[in-house]
Amino acid sequence: DIQMTQSPSSLSASVGDRVTITCRASQGIGNYLAWFQQKPGKAPKSLIYAASSLQSGVPSKFSGSGSGTDFTLTISSLQPEDFATYYCQHYSSYPRTFGQGTKLEIK
Amino acid sequence: EVHLVESGGGLVKPGGSLRLSCAASGFTFSSYSMNWVRQAPGKGLEWVSSISTTGTYIYYAGSVKGRFTISRDNAKNSLYLQMSSLRAEDTAMYYCARDGAATAWGQGTLVTVSS
Repeated sequence: DIQMTQSPSSLSASVGDRVTITCRASQGIGNYLAWFQQKPGKAPKSLIYAASSLQSGVPSKFSGSGSGTDFTLTISSLQPEDFATYYCQHYSSYPRTFGQGTKLEIK
Repeated sequence: EVHLVESGGGLVKPGGSLRLSCAASGFTFSSYSMNWVRQAPGKGLEWVSSISTTGTYIYYAGSVKGRFTISRDNAKNSLYLQMSSLRAEDTAMYYCARDGAATAWGQGTLVTVSS
């Protein structure tokens, strides 16, 4: 099974900051990588697919990059609504494992 | 607009069974593989099972294999998860989600396994 490791597990930042979250796969997954945002008590929301493509309606402040084993999610100019938990997931094979999540908190 | 609506969750005793349903609309359901994903209280997301467009290919997480059965009815635009031999550790919010790049999520249905 492919393991997905996110770092950091938690992150404190201020409104207006730019932050980067990293996701590492235990073996190569090409660009079969998605990122999700989840707010407390809500279902996950899809942000990015194919490592760097924005889902429809997602603001361009979100960007993704990487291929193979190393991926990043960058959020620029943080706003209060961006503070949430972020997950990566690969979809290159089964099982479709998720990263453990990165909780982004307001400093 | 894509809509996925789960139902069927509830309180069940250990060893019991439950059948979850997911009603899909707003897209051609028969063209997409589908997943069940769960989230235990205060924990991260866990992939549970996937089914291909025609139901030919089915995959399960090791934690549920032999106890859960995924199925679909393309004529009814519906996805199902039959859960049996339920354990306390199966307590979670269960989401149906469209697979792959075009991921979309339902709002979830809560399953609580407790005596």
